[in-house]
Amino acid sequence: DIQMTQSPSSLSASVGDRVTITCQASQDISNYLNWYQQKPGKAPKLLIYDASNLETGVPSRFSGSGSGTDFTFTISSLQPEDIATYYCQQYDNLPTFGPGTKVDIK
Amino acid sequence: EVQLVESGGGLVQPGRSLRLSCAASGFTFDDYAMHWVRQAPGKGLEWVSGISWNSGSIGYADSVKGRFTISRDNAKNSLYLQMNSLRAEDTALYYCAKDKLVGAIGSGSFDYWGQGTLVTVSS
Repeated sequence: DIQMTQSPSSLSASVGDRVTITCQASQDISNYLNWYQQKPGKAPKLLIYDASNLETGVPSRFSGSGSGTDFTFTISSLQPEDIATYYCQQYDNLPTFGPGTKVDIK
Repeated sequence: EVQLVESGGGLVQPGRSLRLSCAASGFTFDDYAMHWVRQAPGKGLEWVSGISWNSGSIGYADSVKGRFTISRDNAKNSLYLQMNSLRAEDTALYYCAKDKLVGAIGSGSFDYWGQGTLVTVSS
């Protein structure tokens, strides 16, 4: 199985800050990488697919980059409604998720 | 509007069985692969199983292989998960999720999710 790691596991930032989360795959997954947002008590929501493509309707402050084994997810200007846990997920093989990054407002 | 509504969860004793259902609407169900993803209380997400549009391609996580069976009925726009030999570690919220790509055997990207059905395995 392909293992996914994320860092940090949690972070606290101020409104308007730039937030960056990294995700690493245990082997080359090309660009078969998605990012999801999960708010408390809600189902996950797809934000970024194929490593860098913004899902329809998702604000442009969210972005993704990377290929191979190393990927980055960025919120360019953190908003209060962005409080959530963010997960990366690979689909090069049977799907696996990273452990998640919990984002809070400072 | 795409809707996925899971049902069938509940409290079950270890070793017993349970069958989950997912009723889909708002899209052409038999165009898409479908998946089950679970989340243990306070934990992260775990893909459980996926099935292609025509049931010709099926996959399972190692943690459930041999115990769980995924199936679908395209005439009823429904997805199912038969769970046998349940263990305490199967306790989780089970989500039904739609694959993003049309006509694929399953890209493994999930663009719509239900609200989940809770399965609790305990004596």
